Amino acid sequence: DSGVTQTPKHLITATGQRVTLRCSPRSGDLSVYWYQQSLDQGLQFLIQYYNGEERAKGNILERFSAQQFPDLHSELNLSSLELGDSALYFCASSAGPQSSDGYTFGSGTRLTVV
Amino acid sequence: DAKTTQPTSMDCAEGRAANLPCNHSTISGNEYVYWYRQIHSQGPQYIIHGLKNNETNEMASLIITEDRKSSTLILPHATLRDTAVYYCIVRVDYAGNMLTFGGGTRLMVKP
Repeated sequence: DSGVTQTPKHLITATGQRVTLRCSPRSGDLSVYWYQQSLDQGLQFLIQYYNGEERAKGNILERFSAQQFPDLHSELNLSSLELGDSALYFCASSAGPQSSDGYTFGSGTRLTVV
Repeated sequence: DAKTTQPTSMDCAEGRAANLPCNHSTISGNEYVYWYRQIHSQGPQYIIHGLKNNETNEMASLIITEDRKSSTLILPHATLRDTAVYYCIVRVDYAGNMLTFGGGTRLMVKP
């Protein structure tokens, strides 16, 4: 157990639908990052939140959004889903001001759009 | 963050040392070298990181050249469970700085 919890582990939904992926960071971590990994593709950075505020955006589609709540958990919302959105979605968290111990990743949510 | 270059794939015999190279010729003085690995479909796992000195932990050793333009991750006694994609990432180490993953090296440990 890495300490980063992602739910659900698997999600199957139809095109056009909306889903919410949830991430609870490791205790004490202030930053949450979302990554997408499509089949045989690399890890693509989507978005980062730091202590409740958006810090950085990567290749995130306008149909996707995220937020980080006061208790520091984060949700990634994916709407108007397309077949190409099928992927593994990983959440990571990093330590507080001293980030020398690197990131910790969750085990991911596998999203299948049919 | 500086760009890195890694071989696409490598093989290693079980029980032997696996040496994974990484080139980062444009690295800046305040950028660290990080190594992560991803075992099939699992979340990436932190291995080790360093600035300019060689580092060792229970998982691996990191050798950084004196000019810091390249580094080598060493798994001293590779096992089948070390089969994974290994990512070398160079980044400035401050709170909240993202990780940018490249293609990595697919290491296959063979019996």
